[in-house]
Amino acid sequence: DTGVSQDPRHKITKRGQNVTFRCDPISEHNRLYWYRQTLGQGPEFLTYFQNEAQLEKSRLLSDRFSAERPKGSFSTLEIQRTEQGDSAMYLCASSLTPRTVATNEKLFFGSGTQLSVL
Amino acid sequence: GDSVTQMEGPVTLSEEAFLTINCTYTATGYPSLFWYVQYPGEGLQLLLKATKADDKGSNKGFEATYRKETTSFHLEKGSVQVSDSAVYFCALSELQEYGGSQGNLIFGKGTKLSVKP
Repeated sequence: DTGVSQDPRHKITKRGQNVTFRCDPISEHNRLYWYRQTLGQGPEFLTYFQNEAQLEKSRLLSDRFSAERPKGSFSTLEIQRTEQGDSAMYLCASSLTPRTVATNEKLFFGSGTQLSVL
Repeated sequence: GDSVTQMEGPVTLSEEAFLTINCTYTATGYPSLFWYVQYPGEGLQLLLKATKADDKGSNKGFEATYRKETTSFHLEKGSVQVSDSAVYFCALSELQEYGGSQGNLIFGKGTKLSVKP
């Protein structure tokens, strides 16, 4: 168990460029979450996957953002036409959670990808 | 909508001092409550949790009690150490369809704790 891995750790881009981040969850974790954290704020939920299905998207996730988890393992988060307001830490988390049984989900977070849009 | 409010930081304490970080919440139902900790350069880690009223979560000497009447979940530790220096986040989660909590968490803004030797 190597934990949740995110790549890259840091990304600097110019406004208007597209960027893509990758998240590798803990092996066999069926749920994967994306959060965004800006300076001085707590993480904000963006979206989550149950296996390959994207089950929920926050209203924070504008149409410039797209997330995929094609095989139910790693996930990518793409931001198109980046804006300075997109500068933030993007966090990924995963969990092993049965969908139809009451349980208290425990999230394991990665260290995040720090995005700076110039 | 649901929200979490926690005390502003930074908080600076001397080693062995008593710690309290206040957290209050607003929720329509009966959420689960969490404290997460973020050590420098590391990812968020679950510190403790409580899933129903009057539950006490505890871990590593930290405690927090789910107080429904005051909608609070204050974090306490009797004697802090330098190694406790980190950012602490209070969070809540609404109930899942089948009960229990889920990973769609609502976080407070975080409180930075610095402990001096």
